[in-house]
Order: sequence, then structure tokens, then C-alpha cells
Amino acid sequence: NAGVTQTPKFQVLKTGQSMTLQCAQDMNHEYMSWYRQDPGMGLRLIHYSVGAGITDQGEVPNGYNVSRSTTEDFPLRLLSAAPSQTSVYFCASSYSTSGRADTGELFFGEGSRLTVL
Amino acid sequence: GQNIDQPTEMTATEGAIVQINCTYQTSGFNGLFWYQQHAGEAPTFLSYNVLDGLEEKGRFSSFLSRSKGYSYLLLKELQMKDSASYLCAVMDSNYQLIWGAGTKLIIKP
Repeated sequence: NAGVTQTPKFQVLKTGQSMTLQCAQDMNHEYMSWYRQDPGMGLRLIHYSVGAGITDQGEVPNGYNVSRSTTEDFPLRLLSAAPSQTSVYFCASSYSTSGRADTGELFFGEGSRLTVL
Repeated sequence: GQNIDQPTEMTATEGAIVQINCTYQTSGFNGLFWYQQHAGEAPTFLSYNVLDGLEEKGRFSSFLSRSKGYSYLLLKELQMKDSASYLCAVMDSNYQLIWGAGTKLIIKP
């Protein structure tokens, strides 16, 4: 059981370049989300999705796009990378829709460490 | 604004007990979560509290007081593998998670 798979694990970009972080889950979870984690700060929600074809913005959506064409996949696109987007990115999924499950427990991918020069 | 406060770092001795506190001010409350995150790894779920009181799960227990906006995670019989960051997160009235910055726990032999 693979769980939540993120690729790539490491990436270095130059300012202005674009790229896509891939996320796939095999648990048939409706809810998927992208977070960024920066030193000294809590996880911050970028975008989330409560099902195929439905996406919404989180706390820090600027500079990022997402789509959800299937239940399994939720890619995150950086449109024009900036040094402020240097961070560790986590994809997470859960059984809950809008958090309305018994626990809303999130299952995280291993993370993607992005450096923008 | 919404805020989650937890200590930045704590140190404890192998075999001992440690309590990690979390205080919160959020727009509504739909549960409080604790996650464990080893360095360079993903967070993993530890516990969920939505009602006041203590939830025990093996060596780990989590307590919640909604009236005080307060929770703690209690770790007993500490092992070296418990060295990690512990993240407190509250689900607000919109069912979104608000995360604390995490408490780095250092276990010494």
C-alpha cells in the first residue's frame, strides 16, 4: 500500500521557472491538500480539494495552481518560481470531506524540498 | 486572528515523562490534533480530541479543555525514538486546520 506519493523529493529552480509537484494517493480519499512548511512556522495550507473537479484556495494560494481531474491525483503547479517559494511542500489526504469525518486524520506524503535561486 | 501556541523546544531524559502544552485561540472548534514529525520526514497522526478529557493510547495521552483553549500531549517512558517535533493543530469552524509551529523534543540518555 503506497499511501500518498509525492515527486520529486528534491528540486532546484531558478527564479521565473515553472514546475509541477506531483501527488498521488491510492486510498480513495476524497480530500487532498497541499501545505508548505517553513522554519519556525506552522504548516500553511496552499490549496485543497474535496473531490474530483473541485478545488479551493487555502491560506497562501498566490503563485500556485492546482487541478483535480481524478480522485487519485492532485498536482501543484508553480507558475513563476520566486525565492519566497523555497520551502518543503507536503501533499496530504484524508477520508473526510471538508474535515467532516470521525477523525479527519491526514495522511502525508514524504515531502518535496524546493529551492528557488 | 487565529493562533496556536506551543513551546519551541523541550528536553527530557530517556525513561522519563514529558508534557507538551498547546494553547489555542480559533474561530470555532471542531477538534484538536497532535502529529509527530521526525526530522526530514512527514507528519504522522498521533491523536484527536474533540471532547474534554484525557485520551490514552499506549505511552501517549492527550488532554483537552475547551473552556481554557488548552491541550497537552503526555509522553511516558520516553525512548530515544521519541525525539521529534510534535505539532498541535486545531480544526476551526470552517473545518480547516490551524497549525502550531511545533515543539522540538530532544531526548537525552
